[in-house]
Amino acid sequence: NAGVMQNPRHLVRRRGQEARLRCSPMKGHSHVYWYRQLPEEGLKFMVYLQKENIIDESGMPKERFSAEFPKEGPSILRIQQVVRGDSAAYFCASSPIGGQGGQPQHFGDGTRLSIL
Amino acid sequence: KNEVEQSPQNLTAQEGEFITINCSYSVGISALHWLQQHPGGGIVSLFMLSSGKKKHGRLIATINIQEKHSSLHITASHPRDSAVYICAVIANNDMRFGAGTRLTVKP
Repeated sequence: NAGVMQNPRHLVRRRGQEARLRCSPMKGHSHVYWYRQLPEEGLKFMVYLQKENIIDESGMPKERFSAEFPKEGPSILRIQQVVRGDSAAYFCASSPIGGQGGQPQHFGDGTRLSIL
Repeated sequence: KNEVEQSPQNLTAQEGEFITINCSYSVGISALHWLQQHPGGGIVSLFMLSSGKKKHGRLIATINIQEKHSSLHITASHPRDSAVYICAVIANNDMRFGAGTRLTVKP
């Protein structure tokens, strides 16, 4: 009965390193969404993926950020050459077949990324 | 002006009080979520609405599509209801969030 699983819960990186955040959706869910919550700010949409496809990446920064959701395994949000401004909580959500408008999203507990 | 506006920004109540949090939006939407986030914690989806009213325990959510407005009500509030409540709308295939309402319920 696992919900959306994100790992790690906390991740510390030094400037210039890479950060990899993982999200395993709920069983039976094939749609994954990533959101970012900067300190003292609200949530912001980043990217919406289905298996092996990026559906909407309008919220992703143009450089250093990428996301994938392979046929097998979790969705990965990858941040290359991290900077202090990347420090935030990154949340993943999933929904069953149906897309953003038609189905409720279930959220993970988030990954808190801290950049030293 | 933000596309999703919540009020109030902060709310303090005494245990047992009836609470209302409001959300107004300016875009066409296909659905609206009410989310709850505890300090340092994860996010829980309380409701997803596209019309009318939903009730779950002490929580009630309503939406008026014509007026582009939704409300979240908490009856008989309790200190464990203390959290940030976030209104989020689904518009053009992405989710847009309000800034959240920080609720504190005192015993």
